[in-house]
Amino acid sequence: LAKTTQPISMDSYEGQEVNITCSHNNIATNDYITWYQQFPSQGPRFIIQGYKTKVTNEVASLFIPADRKSSTLSLPRVSLSDTAVYYCLVGAVSGGYNKLIFGAGTRLAVHP
Amino acid sequence: NAGVTQTPKFRVLKTGQSMTLLCAQDMNHEYMYWYRQDPGMGLRLIHYSVGEGTTAKGEVPDGYNVSRLKKQNFLLGLESAAPSQTSVYFCASSYSSPAGFSEAFFGQGTRLTVV
Repeated sequence: LAKTTQPISMDSYEGQEVNITCSHNNIATNDYITWYQQFPSQGPRFIIQGYKTKVTNEVASLFIPADRKSSTLSLPRVSLSDTAVYYCLVGAVSGGYNKLIFGAGTRLAVHP
Repeated sequence: NAGVTQTPKFRVLKTGQSMTLLCAQDMNHEYMYWYRQDPGMGLRLIHYSVGEGTTAKGEVPDGYNVSRLKKQNFLLGLESAAPSQTSVYFCASSYSSPAGFSEAFFGQGTRLTVV
């Protein structure tokens, strides 16, 4: 599974756009990029997944450049409730097994 | 539709005691996972299962055993609890996908303290 590197923490203010970048230099051809969000004392929650270019849903956008060696999660107009840890996962079904390996994640703190 | 349910939510064990954590999902998912999360850390995969009757080791399997006798249940056992196993345990499930990851659904967690 491709190793991912994310910033340990980020700070932002309400109403701003937040972009969290994840590096995955050794991403494989059949790997997908998935982001999860985790609030304190809760299990992670799926945010968005993509393979290439741009994916958008009601919560976030995911930008993936052509070389796919990095990806950026974009949260538009954050609020205090977006304070959470965000995890970037890269991988695919490998040898018939689907592992979900989490890194340390990025702690986002949104301030008033 | 309850999703993923973990039992119990809290537990305190004495060193050397054993216990079983139960994870139940009602989404007919093929894949199930057990994680532990220590304070301020990310999730670490303990064991996972790709179907009924199958299990596999994750990143930190030592000191734990698992069983998947029924598709909807994934049990995590601690044979002889140690203080180092004090953690929050999360269970997750996901459906199989021909390519890429499918969305995983997590339980609410079990907070285990070993004294």
